[in-house]
Amino acid sequence: RKEVEQDPGPFNVPEGATVAFNCTYSNSASQSFFWYRQDCRKEPKLLMSVYSSGNEDGRFTAQLNRASQYISLLIRDSKLSDSATYLCVVTKSSASKIIFGSGTRLSIRP
Amino acid sequence: DAGVIQSPRHEVTEMGQEVTLRCKPISGHDYLFWYRQTMMRGLELLIYFNNNVPIDDSGMPEDRFSAKMPNASFSTLKIQPSEPRDSAVYFCASSLSVSGYTFGSGTRLTVV
Repeated sequence: RKEVEQDPGPFNVPEGATVAFNCTYSNSASQSFFWYRQDCRKEPKLLMSVYSSGNEDGRFTAQLNRASQYISLLIRDSKLSDSATYLCVVTKSSASKIIFGSGTRLSIRP
Repeated sequence: DAGVIQSPRHEVTEMGQEVTLRCKPISGHDYLFWYRQTMMRGLELLIYFNNNVPIDDSGMPEDRFSAKMPNASFSTLKIQPSEPRDSAVYFCASSLSVSGYTFGSGTRLTVV
């Protein structure tokens, strides 16, 4: 089993819709969690950190469920510009390497 | 802040040749990471440094790959000899502790 797993998609949704996807992780000792966004032929960019209490940044909401070992990303009122691949990232300890999921591809249609 | 700077942006080389990829991290960042990304395998961590010291190189595929960080502002990833299966996008990233990476724009390597 992979350490970090994501549904590869693609998720194809109309503009204005709400879309959510999850990412599961296998190591219960994981400490820090992030969502990254990667546009085609570009580098990944940090979208948001994921905190235990959940956090929101505009149309984006990230949540952590430690009991079930998954994190989620919710995008409300989706825009065409939200089309990208979303990577979840999990770290195992404060000084260790970071594990990237393989990404979920999201496509927003007009 | 110029961000993480990688060079070259694109590299096309013949099988068997030596390839050197370069990275300048963000000033003040104490972690530097080298990643490789392919369609088949996604993002793979190759090696990372903390305060210029290699900490984990378990992701380096084989002895043909080597990485150095002679000072806080420069790192290289070398492949010698290169093979077609090394074709990928190689990303360098830096961070302050593990507060979130900043990636460079990547080097797209094609070995023919």
